[in-house]
Formats: sequence, C-alpha cells, structure tokens
Amino acid sequence: DAGVIQSPRHEVTEMGQEVTLRCKPISGHNSLFWYRQTMMRGLELLIYFNNNVPIDDSGMPEDRFSAKMPNASFSTLKIQPSEPRDSAVYFCASSPRQYQPQHFGDGTRLSIL
Amino acid sequence: SQQGEEDPQALSIQEGENATMNCSYKTSINNLQWYRQNSGRGLVHLILIRSNEREKHSGRLRVTLDTSKKSSSLLITASRAADTASYFCATDGETSGSRLTFGEGTQLTVNP
Repeated sequence: DAGVIQSPRHEVTEMGQEVTLRCKPISGHNSLFWYRQTMMRGLELLIYFNNNVPIDDSGMPEDRFSAKMPNASFSTLKIQPSEPRDSAVYFCASSPRQYQPQHFGDGTRLSIL
Repeated sequence: SQQGEEDPQALSIQEGENATMNCSYKTSINNLQWYRQNSGRGLVHLILIRSNEREKHSGRLRVTLDTSKKSSSLLITASRAADTASYFCATDGETSGSRLTFGEGTQLTVNP
C-alpha cells in the first residue's frame, strides 16, 4: 500500500511568493491532518479534516494560511504571501477514522528566503 | 501549546541496553500514543494505550500509563542501532476530538 504522499519534498522560494503544498492521503482514510515542525515550536497541528470537512483550524497561524480538501484523495496547504518565519517542515498525516493512529508523509521542507 | 513533555531530551546508550523514555501531560486524555521519527522522515506510529489501560506490549516495546500521575513511559528492550531516532508521545483529550498534542521528543542514540 502506498503511504501518505506529499509534494514537493523540498521548496525554496522568496518571501512574498505563494506556496502550495500537496498531500495525497492513504486511500480509505477519512481524517487528514496538516502539521508544522520547527526546532523552536516542535510539532504543531495546523488543521484537520474529517470526511473532507475542516473540523479544527485553530492551529492555522494567520490568514496567510489556507487549506482545502476538495475530495477524499487530495488536500492542499497554501501560504500567501510567504514569510521567512514560515520556514519549517510541513507534514500531512491521515488516519482511517478519528481517534485512530495517524500515518505521516515524509514532509515538505520549506525554506522562505 | 505542547501538552506532552518528554524526559530526557536526549539519551545515548550502547546496543543491547534498554532505553526508557518518559512523558508527562497536563489534562485528561482518551488515548496516549508513541511515535518514532527517523531523521528527515515522517513520524511512524508505534503503540497506542487507552486511558483505562495501564500497560501494553508490542515486540520489544513496553508502554505504561499512570493517569493519576499523568505520565507514561516507553521502554525499548535490547536496543539496536536501528532504534536511533526521536521518540514522541502524543495525547488526545476528552474535549479535543482527533487533535493530537505532541511532546517535544526524546532523541535516542544507540551506539553499535
């Protein structure tokens, strides 16, 4: 079985540019999560979806961040405009149902210059 | 905010020794999970223990949970060099839905 697939694996861009991170969850999983990991703040939940519906977006830092899940097999996390402090590793994870263990992708390492 | 706090932050042992990592949390939980993260990779789920369980085993892993002390421990027996990774505990609370709160992690190094 393919795991959670994230793209791109690495992204380097200049501040002010729009960044779009992509995630394909494991087929059949109903919950999808976006996390951000930094040395300073550790692993933080940004938003999660259940059955394609956003359930909790309280971790989204500010209006520059937005996430969508147009169907069960695809989600995007967008940052517009990007800032250097957005530099981090962004992980997508999925789980079969709520409260079950999560399966993580290998992340997107984002650097904003 | 990070609910879970791991202790120690870093642990270095020799192959064959046992490794014990601890996690403390602040609020009531439904479940506590342990994850491993190898360098440059995503987290991998290891084991889940429910709030009404006190101990759970999986292969060389043993997890304990003490809800009265709001703490958990992960024991890896007969460690191997391949166990070198960061280990995180994560909790979901009674009112937080599927939201997991991760600790800061313990960096385990197993020397061959």
